[in-house]
Parts: sequence; C-alpha cells; structure tokens
Amino acid sequence: DGGITQSPKYLFRKEGQNVTLSCEQNLNHDAMYWYRQDPGQGLRLIYYSQIVNDFQKGDIAEGYSVSREKKESFPLTVTSAQKNPTAFYLCASSIYQGYQPQHFGDGTRLSIL
Amino acid sequence: DAKTTQPPSMDCAEGRAANLPCNHSTISGNEYVYWYRQIHSQGPQYIIHGLKNNETNEMASLIITEDRKSSTLILPHATLRDTAVYYCIVRPPNAGGTSYGKLTFGQGTILTVHP
Repeated sequence: DGGITQSPKYLFRKEGQNVTLSCEQNLNHDAMYWYRQDPGQGLRLIYYSQIVNDFQKGDIAEGYSVSREKKESFPLTVTSAQKNPTAFYLCASSIYQGYQPQHFGDGTRLSIL
Repeated sequence: DAKTTQPPSMDCAEGRAANLPCNHSTISGNEYVYWYRQIHSQGPQYIIHGLKNNETNEMASLIITEDRKSSTLILPHATLRDTAVYYCIVRPPNAGGTSYGKLTFGQGTILTVHP
C-alpha cells in the first residue's frame, strides 16, 4: 500500500544528544514536510522540501536540521540546541504543485529522559 | 491563510449524519477548503477538499456556500470510529516559493459519536 512511514513511533532523548526521526514515502510525492504538535495545540511547520536536494525553514526551524537526498526520504534531526523537544512530530507529503492535499504519517512521539 | 472558526465540540448518534460547520469569512478567491481529522496519537487523516463546488467522496461530503464564507462537512452515517478531532483549513494552492502550502490547524471540533 502507498503511504508515509515514520519511525520510531516513540523516541527518548538524553540531554545533549541528537536524535534523528525517519520519514519515508512511496507515494511518489515531490514535496515533504515536518510539523510539530504540542498538546492541545495545532501543527507548526518545522521544515519543508519541494524537491530533492532543496529544503526551506518553516516557522520553528531553530534546533532542527533536515536532509533530502532521495525523493522518498526526509529525515529530521532534533539537535541538542532544541531546548524543548518533547512533542509529537508529524511528517507529510504532497504533490508539489496545485491544490492537492498533504498526507500524513502516524507520527513520532519524542520525550526527554 | 484565512482564519477558520469551528465549534469546539459536537455529539452525534451512531448511524445518523454528522454535520460539522466551519466559518471562513475572510477566505480569498484562490483558497481551497480542506478537512482533516485526527484520532488521538495518530497523524491527521485527509478527508476531502474543495474550492467552490460541493464535493463528495467515499468518506464524506463537503458543502460550500455560494459566497464561500462557510462550509459543512457531512459524514452521512457516523460510526463510533468517526470519533475524532475534525479540522477545517483554508489555504491557497501550492505554487512554489512562499506559497508552499503550509497547513495551519486551528483547535478543531471534537466529534463524539455515541451508541
């Protein structure tokens, strides 16, 4: 089945540690996105990528980094510079142009040890 | 992106139609209306979208008023599994550059379907 796979489902980070969240899609979508969701709040955009080898900062990029070496993959690294990383992280993808909707993975819940 | 207003919560009996309203009075001419839902601890699920015509798919129907200032999502025969937070979003098409299609989720409507 076509879809977006995020892993792991749960992740724990120690102080000063970088962690990487995986996002893979087999929908042949050009654009991919990373959002963060905090309890009782809406989604906030971290980074997005419209094509391979190109990505742009969203509204809350500080403390995060991404890469887009392959069309189907868009990993997110939460660095030690992100002082409040505990959140639910969601990856999405869509056809690049036009009005087509974004489709989401099932998320990764990151907590601090 | 245009701001949307939704009721914070609604109830619906199983098997009945659930009608979820959304106000978007400041919507621009090229902005689409999208509906997503999110079940606790899962990613948002796309339901349906439209510009100005009514739309229907296997999940739901979307009714957009003629002036496009409001819309209604209709789940024709609600089941217990439809209990979720429903989000109404308006945004312009992804045209590259700064129009990259960011989704802005508000507080949504908590729909509870009861037996």
